[in-house]
Amino acid sequence: KNEVEQSPQNLTAQEGEFITINCSYSVGISALHWLQQHPGGGIVSLFMLSSGKKKHGRLIATINIQEKHSSLHITASHPRDSAVYICAVIVRGSNYKLTFGKGTLLTVNP
Amino acid sequence: DGGITQSPKYLFRKEGQNVTLSCEQNLNHDAMYWYRQDPGQGLRLIYYSQIVNDFQKGDIAEGYSVSREKKESFPLTVTSAQKNPTAFYLCASSTGMTSGGQNSYEQYFGPGTRLTVT
Repeated sequence: KNEVEQSPQNLTAQEGEFITINCSYSVGISALHWLQQHPGGGIVSLFMLSSGKKKHGRLIATINIQEKHSSLHITASHPRDSAVYICAVIVRGSNYKLTFGKGTLLTVNP
Repeated sequence: DGGITQSPKYLFRKEGQNVTLSCEQNLNHDAMYWYRQDPGQGLRLIYYSQIVNDFQKGDIAEGYSVSREKKESFPLTVTSAQKNPTAFYLCASSTGMTSGGQNSYEQYFGPGTRLTVT
C-alpha cells in the first residue's frame, strides 16, 4: 500500500465548478506539499502546510493531522487549471525527503 | 531571476552510453534532489544532497551516480547499468536543514529533462 493515496485519479469538470482533490497518508509527517504539473512537465509548488488551512487566489488547501488527510479545493475552476495535482509528504524523521502520491489529472472543459 | 535550470529539455541516447543531466540553482539552497517520473507512478527519489561534497542514495539509486562539488550544481549521470533509463527526470532544491524552520521543507522544482534511450 502506498504511503500517500490521492483521489480521484482523474477528474473532469465544467468551467466554474468547485473542485476537491483528496490526499490521505498513513505515516507521521512534518509537512505536506500540494504541487501542480502542467503538460510540459515542470512542477510548481502550490502550498506547503503542516496544520490548518492556506488560501491563494482560487486555491485552498486544508490539512487534518489527526485524520492524516488533506484536501485541495479550486473555486470557480477554469480550463487553465487543467493539470496534474500531486500531493507529497515529508515523512517525519526522513531528512526532508518527499514521498509522492501518484497525482490527480484534472481536466476543466469550457 | 532566481530558479532552477535543467538542460537539455529533451535528450536522446543510444543504449549502452552514459549520459549526464545538468541541474543548476541560484537560490543559494543547501539541499538538492533528483527524482524520476514514469507514467502512472509517483515521483521517486534517486539521490539527494544536503550539503556540498555530500550526497545520499534515495529509493532507486541503482544505475545512477551524482556529484556535488559546488553548491549551485548537482549533475546526475545515468549509467549503462540503469536497466530502464527512459523517463522524465526532475531536479529540485530546498533551503534544507541548515536554515531550520518550516520553510526548510519547501522544495522548488526545475523544468525537467525527458530522456529517451533506444
